[in-house]
Amino acid sequence: RKEVEQDPGPFNVPEGATVAFNCTYSNSASQSFFWYRQDCRKEPKLLMSVYSSGNEDGRFTAQLNRASQYISLLIRDSKLSDSATYLCVVNRAGQAGTALIFGKGTTLSVSS
Amino acid sequence: DTEVTQTPKHLVMGMTNKKSLKCEQHMGHRAMYWYKQKAKKPPELMFVYSYEKLSINESVPSRFSPECPNSSLLNLHLHALQPEDSALYLCASSQGSGRGSSGANVLTFGAGSRLTVL
Repeated sequence: RKEVEQDPGPFNVPEGATVAFNCTYSNSASQSFFWYRQDCRKEPKLLMSVYSSGNEDGRFTAQLNRASQYISLLIRDSKLSDSATYLCVVNRAGQAGTALIFGKGTTLSVSS
Repeated sequence: DTEVTQTPKHLVMGMTNKKSLKCEQHMGHRAMYWYKQKAKKPPELMFVYSYEKLSINESVPSRFSPECPNSSLLNLHLHALQPEDSALYLCASSQGSGRGSSGANVLTFGAGSRLTVL
């Protein structure tokens, strides 16, 4: 099983749609979870950290289910500017330093 | 503007050349990272430095040699690379390298160095 697995893409949605991305991780001891966004030919940028209680930032909601080792990202009222690749990131537990491992990414395309 | 600065932005080198990629951050972060990213693939972890010591090497070939001269600088020395090593090399830093809370482990990336090996 891969360390971090994400929904295959691409997701093509109209403006205003709600879209959800899922991610699973293999190591139950992982403690750090993030969603990053990467635009074409740019570096990844933090979208939001994911906390056990779930967290929301405007149109974006992240959830963590430790029992199922599952992370989700919900985007409401999609905008054209949301078009990007969304990367799920999880730490590899048990190492002296922090290895942050990226999922393959899910590409979102929002059209007018 | 990114708070992690990488130079050069683009590098073209032959298979017999020796070159270096440089990364600098002044956020007081104690962990620094090298990632490699090929087109349409996610970033792949190469090395992690924690408090200026190499803590993780993801079985990277010895033709890539990292160096951390001080807490603000991270270099990646390149020698005898292969064409398949052509990629975007991303440097990142984080506040800490703890196993715990997400906050200390948030990565801030540089804009990357795009390497082409001929």
